[in-house]
Amino acid sequence: EAQVTQNPRYLITVTGKKLTVTCSQNMNHEYMSWYRQDPGLGLRQIYYSMNVEVTDKGDVPEGYKVSRKEKRNFPLILESPSPNQTSLYFCASRDPSAGSSYNEQFFGPGTRLTVL
Amino acid sequence: RKEVEQDPGPFNVPEGATVAFNCTYSNSASQSFFWYRQDCRKEPKLLMSVYSSGNEDGRFTAQLNRASQYISLLIRDSKLSDSATYLCVVNSSPVGDDKIIFGKGTRLHILP
Repeated sequence: EAQVTQNPRYLITVTGKKLTVTCSQNMNHEYMSWYRQDPGLGLRQIYYSMNVEVTDKGDVPEGYKVSRKEKRNFPLILESPSPNQTSLYFCASRDPSAGSSYNEQFFGPGTRLTVL
Repeated sequence: RKEVEQDPGPFNVPEGATVAFNCTYSNSASQSFFWYRQDCRKEPKLLMSVYSSGNEDGRFTAQLNRASQYISLLIRDSKLSDSATYLCVVNSSPVGDDKIIFGKGTRLHILP
């Protein structure tokens, strides 16, 4: 089954304790993105990657890092989480060469993060 | 002016009614447009792309007006299962970029 998976789905942590949220897709998509979703603010792009070893900042990159060592994986790293990073996080992927469907983004199920 | 704007709603509509959403975008160079649907606590999923000539998929019709920079979604004969948040999405990426902008969403409640 074609899918984007994220782990963990739920996480409660404390300020300053480094964490990683994993994202993996099995569709051989080149493009991957991380978003956060907050009430009243909608979905905002954190980072995106257009290929292996190619990453770039989205609209709200502060406090986050990413890496793209393999095509299928795109982990999100919070080196020193703070309470304002409490949010719902989505990973997404898409295939820019897929003809008329090239812009369809496939989202993971989300990771609900709480930073105390 | 915000990049992508939608009326947040909620729209409370009786079952069987027709409902319409609009979305405006600020970047006139935007290339592609979409409607996504998001159920509570779930991930967004593509509902339909929006083409310049307008397009229809069953009870759903999407329109694009480039001159006025807005897109619309029409739902006919609404069902209880249409209750969700509808996200307007605009791809304004220049070559070599992947900047996709989501609207904040319009909440729809279909009432029995």
